[in-house]
Amino acid sequence: DTAVSQTPKYLVTQMGNDKSIKCEQNLGHDTMYWYKQDSKKFLKIMFSYNNKELIINETVPNRFSPKSPDKAHLNLHINSLELGDSAVYFCASSPSPAGGEDTQYFGPGTRLTVL
Amino acid sequence: TQLLEQSPQFLSIQEGENLTVYCNSSSVFSSLQWYRQEPGEGPVLLVTVVTGGEVKKLKRLTFQFGDARKDSSLHITAAQTGDTGLYLCAGEPAGNKLTFGGGTRVLVKP
Repeated sequence: DTAVSQTPKYLVTQMGNDKSIKCEQNLGHDTMYWYKQDSKKFLKIMFSYNNKELIINETVPNRFSPKSPDKAHLNLHINSLELGDSAVYFCASSPSPAGGEDTQYFGPGTRLTVL
Repeated sequence: TQLLEQSPQFLSIQEGENLTVYCNSSSVFSSLQWYRQEPGEGPVLLVTVVTGGEVKKLKRLTFQFGDARKDSSLHITAAQTGDTGLYLCAGEPAGNKLTFGGGTRVLVKP
């Protein structure tokens, strides 16, 4: 049983397109996250939801819009894709929004390539 | 400038050798975490250190949290090829937001 799953694993698309990445966790956690890992492997938080409510919204372009239909799901929609959006996007979950006190469980990542 | 600076950025050693990677900051953290990320996968938590001066051992891995809670180190004894991966330290400076260091890529050659 996969704890945190993401689809798709790979996404190749043209500049200007709109795409979505889906994430689901079966751990019963209250908090979910989206991270972006760039080509230099630097991992940076984008968004965090706790019980379907947005609690962290980093300086991310408005083209990125997360949605949490329930606390087990957190999707990421990206409009008007740009070359600089190419990266690996990780979904994660934790029991609570306790940051460094709680264990975060990461999904396998979605490698997005914008051509 | 990153809040958490990791060094070295890359380390290549032979199986059986020891290695140490460092995570440094000018900020104080209530706790620091170490994650390992293997190619094509997400990071996996190895340990959380919470007390200044704390030392935690996980088999051949030894983690230390600095007395002032601004830095941490990870020492691997008798490295194995399975230790290959990207080692990330992470901490929460404020606002329940986990911040990651730039990572150290470790390659253990047979």
